[in-house]
Amino acid sequence: EAQVTQNPRYLITVTGKKLTVTCSQNMNHEYMSWYRQDPGLGLRQIYYSMNVEATDKGDVPEGYKVSRKEKRNFPLILESPSPNQTSLYFCASSITGTAYYEQYFGPGTRLTVT
Amino acid sequence: ILNVEQSPQSLHVQEGDSTNFTCSFPSSNFYALHWYRWETAKSPEALFVMTLNGDEKKKGRISATLNTKEGYSYLYIKGSQPEDSATYLCAFLRSNYQLIWGAGTKLIIKP
Repeated sequence: EAQVTQNPRYLITVTGKKLTVTCSQNMNHEYMSWYRQDPGLGLRQIYYSMNVEATDKGDVPEGYKVSRKEKRNFPLILESPSPNQTSLYFCASSITGTAYYEQYFGPGTRLTVT
Repeated sequence: ILNVEQSPQSLHVQEGDSTNFTCSFPSSNFYALHWYRWETAKSPEALFVMTLNGDEKKKGRISATLNTKEGYSYLYIKGSQPEDSATYLCAFLRSNYQLIWGAGTKLIIKP
């Protein structure tokens, strides 16, 4: 089944404890992206990747890191999480190296930082 | 950051009625406009990707129109059903790589 998977789905952690949210897609998509969703706001892009070893900042990259060493995987790293990073996170992928075509979303990761 | 506005924020519609809502976006440097449907506890799913001024797209009872010169798109749902209850998101492609998202219109269908 073609899909985008994220793990974990739910995470409660404490301030300063490094964490990684994994994202994997099995559709051979070139473009991948991370978003955060907060109440009353639209999805905000954190980082995106056009292809392997090609990443760039979105609109809210502070406090996050990413890597794209393999085409299928695009992990999101929070080196020192803070309470303002409590949010719902989505990973998405798209067939070409741009965001032109429809985005396929993962199930979301709900992160709480205390 | 450019703004994408969706109105109304929420909408209650009687089952069987038709409805529509709006996405407003910057009218300059247009690349594409996306519509997604997001059901509670699920992930957003693509409805339409619209690229040309005057575009009209249809999927079942849902259709959308696009006016790039004035910067708006309408989403229409004909004969609303309970399964249409969801949040409808639009996103403006401001460059090859970045989508700017509206906050969504939450649609609730009353039986």
